[in-house]
Formats: sequence, C-alpha cells, structure tokens
Amino acid sequence: GAGVSQTPSNKVTEKGKYVELRCDPISGHTALYWYRQSLGQGPEFLIYFQGTGAADDSGLPNDRFFAVRPEGSVSTLKIQRTERGDSAVYLCASSKDRWDTEAFFGQGTRLTVV
Amino acid sequence: AQTVTQSQPEMSVQEAETVTLSCTYDTSENNYYLFWYKQPPSRQMILVIRQEAYKQQNATENRFSVNFQKAAKSFSLKISDSQLGDTAMYFCAFPDSSNTGKLIFGQGTTLQVKP
Repeated sequence: GAGVSQTPSNKVTEKGKYVELRCDPISGHTALYWYRQSLGQGPEFLIYFQGTGAADDSGLPNDRFFAVRPEGSVSTLKIQRTERGDSAVYLCASSKDRWDTEAFFGQGTRLTVV
Repeated sequence: AQTVTQSQPEMSVQEAETVTLSCTYDTSENNYYLFWYKQPPSRQMILVIRQEAYKQQNATENRFSVNFQKAAKSFSLKISDSQLGDTAMYFCAFPDSSNTGKLIFGQGTTLQVKP
C-alpha cells in the first residue's frame, strides 16, 4: 500500500473484553514497530518486529499484551482482559529495516475501554 | 538512561511569524540521528526534519530548520513564516541505543498558529 494502514480507526470495548488491532505496513518494509500514546504524551515503544519475529518486546506492559506478524507483513496487537488504563492511541510504524532512519507511521487506533 | 525532554507543553504564534520549539536529550552514544515529528489532529506522525549528530551543519527543510548543539545536547526546531497548517503537536525523538530503530519521544509541544 501507499502508506501504513491501521484498523480500526477507533475501538470502544468493555472492560474485560479481548481486542485486536491491525497494522498493514508499507510493502517491503521488514521492520515494524508498535507504540502506545496516552493522552497528551509522546508515544512509548511496545514491540519491534524484524520480519516475522518479535526482536524486542521489552515495552509490552504485561502478559495481557501480545503481538504477531506471521507472514512478515501485517501485524496484529492483541490485548486480553482489557482494563480502563489500556485506553490510548496505539500507533504502528514501519521502515525498510532497522537501520533506515525514516519510520512511517499509521494514523493509529484510538482504544477506549469503558 | 536515554531521555528526551520538551519543556514547553504549549506554544502559540501569529501566522507568518517565527517560533522555536525546544528539546534536550541525554545519550551516551556518539553517532545518532535526531528527529522532529509533527502530529496533527489526524494523529498520523509526520517526519518534519532529521539531523545526523556527526554533521555540524544544521539541517533545513524549507521553512523548518534546527539548531543542533551537540555538546549541550540541545536540538531545537525553528518554524519560519508560520502557517495555520502548522498547528499540531510536535515531538522530538531519537533512536535508542539498542540498534533496533525504536524511537524515544519527548512529551510533545502543542503549537497553535493564530490567524
């Protein structure tokens, strides 16, 4: 695609439910990143994929959060037993590889847990 | 620890005037990149300008330029001839030392350009 695409744009879910957030990176980009941005704050790193493997998941806050990228393109961020504190904008970014200095971002998914 | 600090939560400027956004950072790396990103209400982060730390010359992209002071670990963004479309949140960022390409962001500065 022309840019990084994230779906859904907005998601409202009830506390305790399971959600999946999708990221479709730019074609050919091997590096993919997930960030979480709380209201009025800068994005914070969650997880980095190089190809199909999660090369760095040090930013995932706890074991309720999990992400996959099975074919090295589309990635899904999965959140189990959602809590109100999970409410945030989840941003995805991709780059040609980890050495590329330009990362392209999607428009994010705004998750609201009620 | 590597950190990025933006000490101006909000700023405003009149259309056509110049504004400077501040950023300081801390790293023990010697070679690195620094970035300014713009985030309009659409939420999509857009790269505004980047600076290579080993280059002494300040980067310039049209109306946007930086004042990079490596010794002081300061990286400010100057926007000249401000336009209404410049209204957005601006983030300073740089890659952490893990060589994964993941970025460390500052807290952001909300810029309002007034007509």
